[in-house]
Amino acid sequence: IQMTQSPSSLSASVGDRVTIACRASQSISNYLNWYQQKPGTAPKLLMYAASSLQSGVPSRFSGSGSGTDFTLTISSLQPEDFATYYCQQSYSRPYTFGQGTKLEIK
Amino acid sequence: QVQLVQSAADVKKPGASVKVSCKASGYRFTDYYMHWVRQAPGQGLEWMGYMNPNSGHTNYAQKFQGRVTMTRDTSISTVYMQLTRLTSDDTAIYFCARDNIGEDGNLDWFDPWGQGTLVTVSS
Repeated sequence: IQMTQSPSSLSASVGDRVTIACRASQSISNYLNWYQQKPGTAPKLLMYAASSLQSGVPSRFSGSGSGTDFTLTISSLQPEDFATYYCQQSYSRPYTFGQGTKLEIK
Repeated sequence: QVQLVQSAADVKKPGASVKVSCKASGYRFTDYYMHWVRQAPGQGLEWMGYMNPNSGHTNYAQKFQGRVTMTRDTSISTVYMQLTRLTSDDTAIYFCARDNIGEDGNLDWFDPWGQGTLVTVSS
């Protein structure tokens, strides 16, 4: 299953509302997870099952979608949110990730 | 707390093999599958496979079939990933990541991740 994220990069300012899209090449129900990765560190789980917030993750992060189209929204960007975001499907093997969306400071 | 600690960076020559370790702590080792994911320099994430530390059963991505072997030592709560016949394309950071399964018994996700092990393949 191919996962395609858009945009590939995004410039935004602190306080902005940002949405990242992820599309699957076939229906994956809600088997969709989101990760955040900062330079030089391992990915960190943000959301699982499309819309469930991982414990400890700020509530400004939210996820939605089902089937083939999904979104990750950050309601009010904070300085620590500038990172690369990956979606991942766990519907079928092999697990596959989107190519990533790099969120940069404007 | 749940923690995965990986072995140190390694440099290998083309054609050689590498074995990366991932030591788990803070939970019952045999209760959770373990995945391996790699990331080439400046690139995205690529799933390599997983193993069931309880049974030793493995499931490898087709791309790595025949070159990757995942094993475990339950006495020290450690999983290993060995990759053979290395080429420069295998230069990457290799991560282990614990599997977690939702209530439906099917939907799963990776958390936490090890810190990563840089493997450099160079002559």
